[in-house]
Amino acid sequence: QQQVKQSPQSLIVQKGGISIINCAYENTAFDYFPWYQQFPGKGPALLIAIRPDVSEKKEGRFTISFNKSAKQFSLHIMDSQPGDSATYFCAASKSSGSARQLTFGSGTQLTVLP
Amino acid sequence: DSGVTQTPKHLITATGQRVTLRCSPRSGDLSVYWYQQSLDQGLQFLIQYYNGEERAKGNILERFSAQQFPDLHSELNLSSLELGDSALYFCASSPRGTSGGTEQFFGPGTRLTVL
Repeated sequence: QQQVKQSPQSLIVQKGGISIINCAYENTAFDYFPWYQQFPGKGPALLIAIRPDVSEKKEGRFTISFNKSAKQFSLHIMDSQPGDSATYFCAASKSSGSARQLTFGSGTQLTVLP
Repeated sequence: DSGVTQTPKHLITATGQRVTLRCSPRSGDLSVYWYQQSLDQGLQFLIQYYNGEERAKGNILERFSAQQFPDLHSELNLSSLELGDSALYFCASSPRGTSGGTEQFFGPGTRLTVL
């Protein structure tokens, strides 16, 4: 059972445009929602994260919007640049003492055209 | 550079063989996580260790096992390898904290190819 659904699978945006990637989750016990960026041949790198008590978090050109009632969250990349071309993964996790695991979405391959 | 190191970078082996992947977490991080990334299954959590003890288990096959040593490095052992085990294997570590490892930092991965 896929607990985190991510869309779209791929996205092409012009330089300077806004990239939007959406995720939906099922488990209401999730309490931490990170986004990871992965370049070919590299490991995922933590980009930005949010907790469900906040509706929006912004770091530079990256913004997470969180809708707890709809169980959805999204990543907005403003002023997208060719260097942003990568695969983006949303994730969710819940804590059980010192145990915590990330459940990932299926990924979105972003291409920003120059 | 996340500070998490993994060796080897690439590993090519045959079906039925056994391999060991190694991970050194960031300095001071007590938790180590192992993830598998494949084209058909995406990124999947395998197992977590915290200060030497197993803490969480995901979709890890019985042929796979892991351990975390007193110096906090971890090893993932894969045995009786099958073609379908070909994948990228990532290790991640997280800082100590009472709420568990929210921020997980990933290593560069080990690409395993089973022929």
